[in-house]
Amino acid sequence: QVQLQESGPGLVKPSETLSLTCTVSGVSVSSGSYYWSWIRQSPGKGLEWIGYIYYSGSSGTANYNPSLKSRVTISVDTSKNQLSLRLSSVTAADTAVYYCASVASGTRRFDPWGQGTQVTVSS
Amino acid sequence: QSALTQPASVSGSPGQSITIPCTGTSSDVGGYNYVSWYQQHPGKAPKFIIFDVSRRPSGVSNRFSGSKSGNTASLTISGLQAEDEADYYCSSFTSSATYVFGTGTKVTVL
Repeated sequence: QVQLQESGPGLVKPSETLSLTCTVSGVSVSSGSYYWSWIRQSPGKGLEWIGYIYYSGSSGTANYNPSLKSRVTISVDTSKNQLSLRLSSVTAADTAVYYCASVASGTRRFDPWGQGTQVTVSS
Repeated sequence: QSALTQPASVSGSPGQSITIPCTGTSSDVGGYNYVSWYQQHPGKAPKFIIFDVSRRPSGVSNRFSGSKSGNTASLTISGLQAEDEADYYCSSFTSSATYVFGTGTKVTVL
């Protein structure tokens, strides 16, 4: 079964780039069987979909939340079986718990989710 | 894309039924049968309890049910139990091949 684990710095300075990694186990990230997503949850707030990447063989396609598109990049490292999130020019509004989650091809539901990782933007 | 609209809170007594609406547009909820619902307990990651509007995964209580009419999807919890106290979020696939979540509803068991 698919298992996901997020990791990365818990503290990022304003204007810098937030970088997170999600290690995938149980399936190859390049299998073409899943869409790999990032989702975040600001303190006391709701869930916000950030984007996903679909990777099959040696190529991938990403799609992003329009409100974040100019600052977000999601990529895959097939050698490490990981997906990554980069969010540039962060502000305090980007402080959140960041989750990675998978959507099996042919479905439209997020399952499973990682446990989440807290990122705080502060100087 | 705008978040789907949910009431901030819904409450009920044990044994009662409650319904949580999730309102979107014809570009998301109304346009696809790809509405899913997630339950989130404090400090935990969300867990999906309904998918494709009304389908329930194995292991999820049949007290949870989903439906849709026009641009509004709904989650009904029947026979409310203390363990149902949590935050609930809807989500929909959209015409842009993106996803959008609802604003979230806190369910309180009185």
